[in-house]
Amino acid sequence: SQTIHQWPATLVQPVGSPLSLECTVEGTSNPNLYWYRQAAGRGLQLLFYSVGIGQISSEVPQNLSASRPQDRQFILSSKKLLLSDSGFYLCAWSFTNSPLHFGNGTRLTVT
Amino acid sequence: AQTVTQSQPEMSVQEAETVTLSCTYDTSENNYYLFWYKQPPSRQMILVIRQEAYKQQNATENRFSVNFQKAAKSFSLKISDSQLGDTAMYFCAFMKHKLEVSNDYKLSFGAGTTVTVRA
Repeated sequence: SQTIHQWPATLVQPVGSPLSLECTVEGTSNPNLYWYRQAAGRGLQLLFYSVGIGQISSEVPQNLSASRPQDRQFILSSKKLLLSDSGFYLCAWSFTNSPLHFGNGTRLTVT
Repeated sequence: AQTVTQSQPEMSVQEAETVTLSCTYDTSENNYYLFWYKQPPSRQMILVIRQEAYKQQNATENRFSVNFQKAAKSFSLKISDSQLGDTAMYFCAFMKHKLEVSNDYKLSFGAGTTVTVRA
């Protein structure tokens, strides 16, 4: 069966520091991959998605970037964090015409 | 682009009673998928139920059922015999069936409805 791993679970970083959140999927190949962000008590904001290696689509202009160095690995990065980057980050995967399956999320606090 | 609207930010229900969450969507597509996700306080996103637009029969998963009205573009979720563990934020989501460009692979989520089950 397929599983998704996302880490770290929580992270506290100072403003201006770099960020790297990692997500990997096991038990499948060529999944669609997604990064979402969620403010407390709010809805989901799609940040990036990828339908294949080297194919990254960005939804919102910001100081975040995403990469897919391997088929089942999706990384969210920033060179310099802002206070507004605080939130709950969710990675997800899917097959075509199937629901999204989410990781457990990363709670990021930028201080 | 598809939009998904959940008009009820918060709902409260007594344990063992029934609550219905509304969801409407806007699309020009004929075939698509609709989902309800549950996000409990742990914040993990859990798929509750899935509906395929070309299927007439409403989907059911144990105490969770949907009322899918394709012409009205409505997709409500009914939680029967509510339990304390049903306390969560619930999200309605839409996905196109025919995926032609990368943009089609996105899910469109509603803003969510927070459901509180009272003991």
